[in-house]
Amino acid sequence: QQQVKQSPQSLIVQKGGIPIINCAYENTAFDYFPWYQQFPGKGPALLIAIRPDVSEKKEGRFTISFNKSAKQFSLHIMDSQPGDSATYFCAASNSFGNEKLTFGTGTRLTIIP
Amino acid sequence: GAGVSQTPSNKVTEKGKYVELRCDPISGHTALYWYRQSLGQGPEFLIYFQGTGAADDSGLPNDRFFAVRPEGSVSTLKIQRTERGDSAVYLCASSFFGTGSNQPQHFGDGTRLSIL
Repeated sequence: QQQVKQSPQSLIVQKGGIPIINCAYENTAFDYFPWYQQFPGKGPALLIAIRPDVSEKKEGRFTISFNKSAKQFSLHIMDSQPGDSATYFCAASNSFGNEKLTFGTGTRLTIIP
Repeated sequence: GAGVSQTPSNKVTEKGKYVELRCDPISGHTALYWYRQSLGQGPEFLIYFQGTGAADDSGLPNDRFFAVRPEGSVSTLKIQRTERGDSAVYLCASSFFGTGSNQPQHFGDGTRLSIL
């Protein structure tokens, strides 16, 4: 059972644009929602995370929007750069991350100059 | 080191062989996780240690897979009688453990396992 659905599978955006990646979850016990960035041959690196008691969180050029009633959350990347080209994964967990992460299937993002 | 270290970075072996994959967590992290990532997919949970004990092993696919963390630091994932379907990148992550606060998991670069 896939508990976290992620879309789109791939995304191409021009430099300076705002790519948006969406995720939806089923398990209402999830209380911690991180986003990870992964480059080829490397492990996932934590970008930003949110808890369901807030609707938005910003860190630098990265913003998470969270809709608890719809069980959806999304990642926005402001002023995107070619160096942001990577695969992005949303994830969810219980107990504020003290348990296993359930990952989405990933979005391959390409930023063209 | 500063980050999670996994060795070897690559492992190629024949079907039916036994393999061991090692993970050195970030110093002081009490929680350690193993995940498996197939090509084009997100990481899938295998097992989670809190200290020396396995707190959740619900993701291990079958009894050919086993993991230990005898001293609460380094962990070894062991796969017996390997099959071609075991080919994947095996990722290790570690974190502090603390109730009521976010505990981000930090990942190593993984071991790429190829079963011929």
